[in-house]
Amino acid sequence: ETTVTQSPASLSMAVGEKVSISCKTSTDIDDDMNWYQQKSGEAPKLLISEGNTLRPGVPSRFSSSGYGTDFVFTINNVLLGDEGIYYCQQSDNVPDTFGAGTKLELK
Amino acid sequence: EVQLVESGGGLVQPGRSLKLSCAASGFTFSNYGMAWVCQAPTKGLEWVASISTGGGNTYYRDSVKGRFTISRDNAKNTLYLQMDSLRSEDTATYYCARQRGGSLDYWGQGVMVTVSS
Repeated sequence: ETTVTQSPASLSMAVGEKVSISCKTSTDIDDDMNWYQQKSGEAPKLLISEGNTLRPGVPSRFSSSGYGTDFVFTINNVLLGDEGIYYCQQSDNVPDTFGAGTKLELK
Repeated sequence: EVQLVESGGGLVQPGRSLKLSCAASGFTFSNYGMAWVCQAPTKGLEWVASISTGGGNTYYRDSVKGRFTISRDNAKNTLYLQMDSLRSEDTATYYCARQRGGSLDYWGQGVMVTVSS
């Protein structure tokens, strides 16, 4: 099973700042990493899919990079509405595994 | 509009069974793999099981193998999760999700399962 280590566990940012979240995998997963946003009381929402592909309708402020074992998710110019928990998920091998999540709070 | 609506959750005693359903609409259900993902209270996401388009291939996380069965009825556009020998640690919100490649691109609103005596 591929372990996904996500950091940091939480972030407190001001509106307009840049957010960076890291996910490291215990095995090489090529670019089979996905990123989700979960707002309070809601189901997760896919933001970025395998190959660092931004989903239709997702603002270009969101992006990701990485290949192999090291991945970074970035939000440029963070807004109040971006508050929530962000998860990475590797889909290279079964079982799919998620990172522990990063809670983003806006000051 | 893609919609996934889960049902069948509730309070159940340890050792008993429960069957979750996920009704799909707004897309050709038989063209997509499907998955169940759970989230224990205040915890993160855990993939539970997935199933191929025709149902011939199924995959489970180790902790549910032999206890949970994922299945689908493409004629009814419905995904199922049969949960047997339930344990307290199975208490969670269960989401069904559509697979697009390895991504989960649409999710239901979730259904709560509580295992307690």
